[in-house]
Amino acid sequence: SQQGEEDPQALSIQEGENATMNCSYKTSINNLQWYRQNSGRGLVHLILIRSNEREKHSGRLRVTLDTSKKSSSLLITASRAADTASYFCATTDRGSTLGRLYFGRGTQLTVWP
Amino acid sequence: NAGVTQTPKFRVLKTGQSMTLLCAQDMNHEYMYWYRQDPGMGLRLIHYSVGEGTTAKGEVPDGYNVSRLKKQNFLLGLESAAPSQTSVYFCASSSPKLIRGLYNEQFFGPGTRLTVL
Repeated sequence: SQQGEEDPQALSIQEGENATMNCSYKTSINNLQWYRQNSGRGLVHLILIRSNEREKHSGRLRVTLDTSKKSSSLLITASRAADTASYFCATTDRGSTLGRLYFGRGTQLTVWP
Repeated sequence: NAGVTQTPKFRVLKTGQSMTLLCAQDMNHEYMYWYRQDPGMGLRLIHYSVGEGTTAKGEVPDGYNVSRLKKQNFLLGLESAAPSQTSVYFCASSSPKLIRGLYNEQFFGPGTRLTVL
């Protein structure tokens, strides 16, 4: 399977703490994306990092990519209760022109007030 | 703009019944996708389409058929529903671009929760 794997499966923290989620994948990639899913809703795109990038920031989000280890991490700083959601990584194979994504199983983040 | 919409939101079927899930997008996207989401399994691709009149199989296509007669619509059909098809179904669309590399964000609908008894 080309599906990625997130770690941990579940994470529970207090407001104000940082949350770190990891994603490992198996193939050579063109890019890696992170999505967020609130309970009972569809997925929403957060950030995309290309295979030639090592780090990217967007607001309170910081994403790193290590292609030699085939892994990525998503850091949410100063977390809020509203960040409670499931977070998924998704990869695009190198050479893909179809834009097809392969999703991981997700990390369930709970942020307590 | 409504983005990606899905109809219906919920449905309960009996084994052997058929139904069609409708997905519509108003972003003029070329590509459309149907996923299913099961607990602990993440999202798995059922079928996808790279343009009007074209469809292709994804990771778990068995028991499903699709059609893309209009660019904005992508239909997912279950001819004879089985309990194993109990799941949440998501439609997504995208318009991959080359902007300093491939940019292929997908936009998701709110999902259809299907129960097959």
